[in-house]
Parts: sequence; C-alpha cells; structure tokens
Amino acid sequence: GAVVSQHPSRVICKSGTSVKIECRSLDFQATTMFWYRQFPKQSLMLMATSNEGSKATYEQGVEKDKFLINHASLTLSTLTVTSAHPEDSSFYICSARVGRVAGEQFFGPGTRLTVL
Amino acid sequence: DAKTTQPPSMDCAEGRAANLPCNHSTISGNEYVYWYRQIHSQGPQYIIHGLKNNETNEMASLIITEDRKSSTLILPHATLRDTAVYYCIVETNFGNEKLTFGTGTRLTIIP
Repeated sequence: GAVVSQHPSRVICKSGTSVKIECRSLDFQATTMFWYRQFPKQSLMLMATSNEGSKATYEQGVEKDKFLINHASLTLSTLTVTSAHPEDSSFYICSARVGRVAGEQFFGPGTRLTVL
Repeated sequence: DAKTTQPPSMDCAEGRAANLPCNHSTISGNEYVYWYRQIHSQGPQYIIHGLKNNETNEMASLIITEDRKSSTLILPHATLRDTAVYYCIVETNFGNEKLTFGTGTRLTIIP
C-alpha cells in the first residue's frame, strides 16, 4: 500500500514552454501532498504544500505564478512549470502524507525535467 | 540552523550491520526523529520514526539515547541495495509539519 506515482518520469522541453507533472496516490486518499525540487548533488528542497480543495502554500522564494499547483482531488495533485527556462531543469518529486503521522510521507519516483 | 547533524559519508561491508549516527542536540520534547533514504534518482523512502523508545520494523532499528540528543539507525544485514543517502529528520507530529531534508549520509555498501 501507500504507492505514489508521477507522470511523466522524464520530460525534455524547449525554453518558454509549460510542463505539467502529475502526482497520484494510487491506493489511498491524500489530503496533503508536497512538491520538492532537487538539483544535482543537492538535497530535496520543499517547494509547496498542496491541500485538496484549497490553494497551495508556497515556501519562501518559490514563485507561485511560475509553479502552479492544483490539488483537485484526494488522489491527484499537479505541478505546472510555466514558461520553463534551463535553470528550471531539476528533479521534481511529490509526496503524500498518510493518515495522521505527520512525518510519514510516501514519495513518488520523481520527474526529471530538462529545459533546452 | 540545521536541526540534525550527520556524517557526510560512510562505508559498510555487505552482510554487516550498518550503523548510521545522527545528532539532534536541540531536539524538543514533542519532536520525533524520522529516517528516510534516497536511492540514486529515486524518490525518498520512509524507513522508521520514533519519539523516545527504541523502534524496530522490517527495514531497520532506531536507537534513541536517553537524553534524546542523538540516535542511530541500524540496518542489521546490509545489502548492496541499501546503498543510498540516508536522511535523519527531526519534526513534531501535530499534523501540519513539513519535512526538512538536510544533506544526509551517503552510505555505500561494499561487496
């Protein structure tokens, strides 16, 4: 149980285009999902917290108009990188919290975005 | 300021127990210790968590010192598939917490 999927696993796009990444909880309902970004040889950095049916909460320094998050259902959250640029190339990872154990999160496999 | 301190890297022979230390000297009474690991190019994987008692599950054991200022994650019989970056995270459990990942320990299992 507690499986989280992401789609696509890898995407290459041209500078200026927008890319949507989906995060799904496959066998449970997740009221809270998180989006992280990880640059090569660095740790995960939390970008935003996504709550079903409400606006996402963004971490300081993360542009909400550039990284659009939608959590329309209890099993799906999407991250759209708008007008992507090469510096947005990164490994994007989502996670979902199960139950009431706040620190027990289940992570997706990640999406590697390359912007040319 | 980081809540935890971990050695940047460790090696362990295959089949032996891997003991990964973590210092959290400023931990408060309502903060838990969580361990995650990240295998290369994958999402992190939850391992175990605890408050003050030692914990064990099918993956690992967590030993927390009596003063709770440090802990050790034990992988009892390390395999090559345990090669990963291991993150020790301290956080409360009220329901609105976020996980803050530090730099972790890169564990390499040697054949």
